[in-house]
Amino acid sequence: GAVVSQHPSRVICKSGTSVKIECRSLDFQATTMFWYRQFPKQSLMLMATSNEGSKATYEQGVEKDKFLINHASLTLSTLTVTSAHPEDSSFYICSASRAPGVTDTQYFGPGTRLTVL
Amino acid sequence: GENVEQHPSTLSVQEGDSAVIKCTYSDSASNYFPWYKQELGKGPQLIIDIRSNVGEKKDQRIAVTLNKTAKHFSLHITETQPEDSAVYFCAASFGFGNEKLTFGTGTRLTIIP
Repeated sequence: GAVVSQHPSRVICKSGTSVKIECRSLDFQATTMFWYRQFPKQSLMLMATSNEGSKATYEQGVEKDKFLINHASLTLSTLTVTSAHPEDSSFYICSASRAPGVTDTQYFGPGTRLTVL
Repeated sequence: GENVEQHPSTLSVQEGDSAVIKCTYSDSASNYFPWYKQELGKGPQLIIDIRSNVGEKKDQRIAVTLNKTAKHFSLHITETQPEDSAVYFCAASFGFGNEKLTFGTGTRLTIIP
């Protein structure tokens, strides 16, 4: 149990275009989902926390108008990188946790490699 | 905010030997400490976690110890195997209602056959 999927696994886009990444909890309901960014050989940096049906909470320094997060259901959250530029190239990883009070364990997706040309 | 330090950054051990990775945290309010294993090009996989009400937890070849007074916790892998080679991350959070994880910087573990 506790499987999280991401789609796509890899995406290459031209500078200036927008890219949407989906994160799904396959066998549990995720009240809270998290989006991370990871540069090569570095740790995971939290970008934002999203709760189903409410606005995402962004970490300091993360542009909310550039990284649009939608958590429309208990099994799906999306991250849209708007007007992508080469510096947005990175490994984006989502995680999900079950309803509060059940467990706070975060289960991670397999990640999405974004390359902006 | 919380700060988690992790050592060593790289670790090489002979197959069959034990590996130990250590983390320290700054916020005494943190009460949940998971360990993740990340293989190249993949997302982190939870391998073991511990809460502040226990001092040690074991799952087959993997164990985690927690010293709340000193604010440090450690991952122990015994009888290491080549498939244990990966990057390991420790993390800390307040848990239950504030699940934001603060990650350590990672340890690249290499098992030498």
